[in-house]
Amino acid sequence: KQEVTQIPAALSVPEGENLVLNCSFTDSAIYNLQWFRQDPGKGLTSLLLIQSSQREQTSGRLNASLDKSSGRSTLYIAASQPGDSATYLCAVKAYTNAGKSTFGDGTTLTVKP
Amino acid sequence: GAVVSQHPSRVICKSGTSVKIECRSLDFQATTMFWYRQFPKQSLMLMATSNEGSKATYEQGVEKDKFLINHASLTLSTLTVTSAHPEDSSFYICSARDFGRGGLDTQYFGPGTRLTVL
Repeated sequence: KQEVTQIPAALSVPEGENLVLNCSFTDSAIYNLQWFRQDPGKGLTSLLLIQSSQREQTSGRLNASLDKSSGRSTLYIAASQPGDSATYLCAVKAYTNAGKSTFGDGTTLTVKP
Repeated sequence: GAVVSQHPSRVICKSGTSVKIECRSLDFQATTMFWYRQFPKQSLMLMATSNEGSKATYEQGVEKDKFLINHASLTLSTLTVTSAHPEDSSFYICSARDFGRGGLDTQYFGPGTRLTVL
């Protein structure tokens, strides 16, 4: 059974800092890994999706990397802004026909002005 | 990207009533949809896999008679919470599976439905 862990559970940084969020998974036979952002009381916003054959994806100030062999992914946020404050979730999609995704518990980020 | 909608976005009901939540893929056909539940300050937990034209597959610990799933068309899945109780209050999120973009298996998530049972 796939288990997904996100560290840290919460993070508070001053505006402008670069930061890294971590996601680890136990079963390396994955189809893809996806990072989401969730604002309080809201749904999910997809940030980056990395296919199993890829090593990283970039979008603006965000960069996500994937190392399947070690079961790890990182989300790098450059020059953080107060608007980045949210919960960040990673989800790992199984490499089976069922295609189920397993979510981590998330990292709640607070960027202080 | 593809769009998935949910209706209603928010519902408040009395204990003992049933509530139906709709999940629609607006610009693609989805033979498979997934239903998740999220309690406050917790992550998403998969409840069931909804398959068009066949019975849903429920995750361990999810009561299939309480959470009825119907996937009658390629663009619509419904989740009915029967005889709802306060402990069913949660945020319900659906996702739809799409193979249309380069053959890649991609999930698109709906905006969620906030259920409050009084």
